[in-house]
Amino acid sequence: AQSVTQPDIHITVSEGASLELRCNYSYGATPYLFWYVQSPGQGLQLLLKYFSGDTLVQGIKGFEAEFKRSQSSFNLRKPSVHWSDAAEYFCAVGGSQGNLIFGKGTKLSVKP
Amino acid sequence: GAGVSQSPSNKVTEKGKDVELRCDPISGHTALYWYRQSLGQGLEFLIYFQGNSAPDKSGLPSDRFSAERTGGSVSTLTIQRTQQEDSAVYLCASSSGTRLGEQYFGPGTRLTVT
Repeated sequence: AQSVTQPDIHITVSEGASLELRCNYSYGATPYLFWYVQSPGQGLQLLLKYFSGDTLVQGIKGFEAEFKRSQSSFNLRKPSVHWSDAAEYFCAVGGSQGNLIFGKGTKLSVKP
Repeated sequence: GAGVSQSPSNKVTEKGKDVELRCDPISGHTALYWYRQSLGQGLEFLIYFQGNSAPDKSGLPSDRFSAERTGGSVSTLTIQRTQQEDSAVYLCASSSGTRLGEQYFGPGTRLTVT
């Protein structure tokens, strides 16, 4: 069965520091992979997605993610974190019905 | 409207009562999804509609849950005889209907069963 693991429940980084959020997936075929962000009291917003092609994908708000088939990973990165990036981040894989199968999420806190 | 809307935004109900949650998708979006977000279970997929049809209802947690979609637009998720474990945020999303189509999420309905 398809599944997504986000090993880090909570991460704290200093403003201006780099960020990497980990995501591992389990899927038999070529996966469709997504990162979503949820700010407090807000809905889920798509940051970026990978379907095929270039394994490094660029998203909104300066985020990027790299698909590594050999490691079954799709880690999210940002070179310099801003205080407004504090939120919860969800990695997801596309399911057979076009639905999303989410990881448990990683809560990001940003220190001034 | 410009985005997915859901109503009510908050619902408090007594155990055993029935509730209806509504989702208005983005105009023209043929696919509609319901998810549930709770502390213990994270984000769970419940059901998917393509047009008015839901091909697979196996994601619904129990037979107390049902959903329908009419006119290829508005969808209603109904929970009968609510239980405390039904307390969660219920999220609706819509997309253009292809597997590559981005899902746009509504703000959710927070359901509290007392």
